[in-house]
Amino acid sequence: AQSVTQLDSQVPVFEEAPVELRCNYSSSVSVYLFWYVQYPNQGLQLLLKYLSGSTLVESINGFEAEFNKSQTSFHLRKPSVHISDTAEYFCAVSGPDTDKLIFGTGTRLQVFP
Amino acid sequence: GAGVSQSPSNKVTEKGKDVELRCDPISGHTALYWYRQSLGQGLEFLIYFQGNSAPDKSGLPSDRFSAERTGGSVSTLTIQRTQQEDSAVYLCASSSFDSAYGYTFGSGTRLTVV
Repeated sequence: AQSVTQLDSQVPVFEEAPVELRCNYSSSVSVYLFWYVQYPNQGLQLLLKYLSGSTLVESINGFEAEFNKSQTSFHLRKPSVHISDTAEYFCAVSGPDTDKLIFGTGTRLQVFP
Repeated sequence: GAGVSQSPSNKVTEKGKDVELRCDPISGHTALYWYRQSLGQGLEFLIYFQGNSAPDKSGLPSDRFSAERTGGSVSTLTIQRTQQEDSAVYLCASSSFDSAYGYTFGSGTRLTVV
């Protein structure tokens, strides 16, 4: 069975600092990996995804994530965060053999001025 | 519609009452999912509909929970004899075919059982 672990429930950071949100997955088969973001009082939005090919994927707002098969990780990074990045971030996994997304417990990113 | 629509946005109900939560997916999306979001517990998969196939009900927590999807479009999640532990945000999502395309989530229904 697939599972996702987000080790950090909260990550406080100052504006313009770099950030990394950690995600590790468990799966015995090939996977699709996703990061979703939930801004305060809003629904979840897809931030980026890895299906195949290049292991580094990027979003339009400066986030990137790298698929590392040997470490079964898909950490999310941004070199310089903004106040507006304050949100809850969810890592999720699925695969060619299942259409269910399995989510981690989420990481609350709090950006301070 | 342009997005996934859920109603009501908020629901307060008394313990023991039945509730119905509605989801209107994006037109043409064949896959529809229900998740439950509880504080500190992430998103818990409940049920999945794909086209005319039998739904995957493996995530429903008890037989008090059921869901249907009429005409391959609108879905209703029903919780019978609600309990306080059912209090959560219930999220619906739809997808054009499968998870590789990513889900589009609705804003959710916040259910409070008092």
